[in-house]
Amino acid sequence: LAKTTQPISMDSYEGQEVNITCSHNNIATNDYITWYQQFPSQGPRFIIQGYKTKVTNEVASLFIPADRKSSTLSLPRVSLSDTAVYYCLVGEGATNKLIFGTGTLLAVQP
Amino acid sequence: NAGVMQNPRHLVRRRGQEARLRCSPMKGHSHVYWYRQLPEEGLKFMVYLQKENIIDESGMPKERFSAEFPKEGPSILRIQQVVRGDSAAYFCASSPVVERGMGGYTFGSGTRLTVV
Repeated sequence: LAKTTQPISMDSYEGQEVNITCSHNNIATNDYITWYQQFPSQGPRFIIQGYKTKVTNEVASLFIPADRKSSTLSLPRVSLSDTAVYYCLVGEGATNKLIFGTGTLLAVQP
Repeated sequence: NAGVMQNPRHLVRRRGQEARLRCSPMKGHSHVYWYRQLPEEGLKFMVYLQKENIIDESGMPKERFSAEFPKEGPSILRIQQVVRGDSAAYFCASSPVVERGMGGYTFGSGTRLTVV
């Protein structure tokens, strides 16, 4: 069974754009892709959700190719407070499970 | 409009005791999901419930763990005869929609269980 995978970590500097990709080969046909941010000792916090193509809100953009087997979270001009773990969440094909990606630790430096 | 409420925030149990974790979904939400996060690890699916129904419990350990979401009251995750390996953060999320994936899933702040 394919896992939902992400890079373990990424480093960036303040003011840069950061792109984090999630690979989800087994995504359910009708399910959306959701991204969350998690700080230590806190619950996951919703960032953005999409089904296909591109979605943008006040904090991020989400790019989803036509085959939907991956998605990319784009954070424009990151700041130190964006240092956190970022997870994608997708529905697994043929089951009822909502599966988190492996998580990406983003470290933003001054 | 309160978010997803989990209590207690911190729970300490001795080995062999029972742990009961509560999750009150957002108002109007009838779907609840439980996840476990071991220290320094990601979030692992445990169980998906609707009111009075367990939809998918394939992520739950076969023994000692059970979950319910009654018609009235919070969802309960129950761990019997806890062991040190049960020490983790347990998060629940709720969703308002019948069709999967179309809503946002709102997470609670979690219950941190420590078994001593």
